[in-house]
Amino acid sequence: GDSVTQMEGPVTLSEEAFLTINCTYTATGYPSLFWYVQYPGEGLQLLLKATKADDKGSNKGFEATYRKETTSFHLEKGSVQVSDSAVYFCALDNSGGSNYKLTFGKGTLLTVNP
Amino acid sequence: NAGVTQTPKFQVLKTGQSMTLQCAQDMNHNSMYWYRQDPGMGLRLIYYSASEGTTDKGEVPNGYNVSRLNKREFSLRLESAAPSQTSVYFCASRTRDRSYEQYFGPGTRLTVT
Repeated sequence: GDSVTQMEGPVTLSEEAFLTINCTYTATGYPSLFWYVQYPGEGLQLLLKATKADDKGSNKGFEATYRKETTSFHLEKGSVQVSDSAVYFCALDNSGGSNYKLTFGKGTLLTVNP
Repeated sequence: NAGVTQTPKFQVLKTGQSMTLQCAQDMNHNSMYWYRQDPGMGLRLIYYSASEGTTDKGEVPNGYNVSRLNKREFSLRLESAAPSQTSVYFCASRTRDRSYEQYFGPGTRLTVT
């Protein structure tokens, strides 16, 4: 079945450091890929998405490129801020539009120190 | 718009008690979902409803039942709570268009003692 593997956390960075959170997936066909973010005490919210190979999703300074050849969707940000401290989830949708079920990775906790 | 709302925010149950978690959305979305979030496990799908009048099992349905009451509301019931059901429960919804985005509620933190 479909699965998502993302790097184990927690990740601790200083403000303005470069961030990479690795995400790889296993799926048949052509899934859509997502990064969701969960701030403390809140539900998840969509950060960015890519629906086909070589697409780049971007939002709030975060970027991720859909690489079909390496089945990856790594999240990057050039200069993190304290406000980026959150849990980040990689996810895929391989339902082909039939029921839109998401498969999530286990999440990576990011802490950014001033 | 309130988005996706969930009640209650917190609940403590004793083993064997029952309760219903409520979820409502005001975005006219067709599909609704219930997930549980456990440390180190990410989010796991319990049940989903692709449209009003239909429900289907997800990855971890045992011990739960759901009701899609109408287009807005999707409830999750624990008939006989067990300590293994201690978790944070999230409801989500989305449209049938190809935006693919799921909108999440704030969660219900449930403890079963």
